Amino acid sequence: DVKVTQSSRYLVKRTGEKVFLECVQDMDHENMFWYRQDPGLGLRLIYFSYDVKMKEKGDIPEGYSVSREKKERFSLILESASTNQTSMYLCASRRRGRIEQFFGPGTRLTVL
Amino acid sequence: GQQLNQSPQSMFIQEGEDVSMNCTSSSIFNTWLWYKQDPGEGPVLLIALYKAGELTSNGRLTAQFGITRKDSFLNISASIPSDVGIYFCAGQRNNAGNMLTFGGGTRLMVKP
Repeated sequence: DVKVTQSSRYLVKRTGEKVFLECVQDMDHENMFWYRQDPGLGLRLIYFSYDVKMKEKGDIPEGYSVSREKKERFSLILESASTNQTSMYLCASRRRGRIEQFFGPGTRLTVL
Repeated sequence: GQQLNQSPQSMFIQEGEDVSMNCTSSSIFNTWLWYKQDPGEGPVLLIALYKAGELTSNGRLTAQFGITRKDSFLNISASIPSDVGIYFCAGQRNNAGNMLTFGGGTRLMVKP
């Protein structure tokens, strides 16, 4: 079974703090994704990575950056957290060439 | 912006009832996926549809790929309390590089 893990289930940060969200997958998937989930808006893609050291902007990249130094790990960085970044953050991975994405349990981030 | 309209947004039903939900779009999709998200967890893939007109079942769940390729339907028969959660449709559009577009989700609540 594919296992995608996220470093924290719940996180509370203050406005202006730098925030790191970590995601690790154990199935040697090439592609990894970061989404945010807000009520009624579904999942919106922030950034994705086709492979190590490669990254592409998704639909809502503003205020975020990412890092993919190792194949199994994809980090989402909020350089200066703001209250409108309070959300559920979901990481996903996928084998190259496949459609189906496998999700982690999510990190619920609250920015005060 | 969001290109998949998922309805209804929420449903509150009695245990044992059948459930129907759907996703529609003005765009053509090559693949449809249905995910379920349990409270506090990440989405889990339920059914994948790859061909227009395709009807696929997974236990009490049945999903169909609309013949126009612009919609998909998910039915749950004889609902049980553990069906509670948020159901998401996701589609892969033509020329979208295997990227997924997600619907806004249908929140299902089941009264025992």
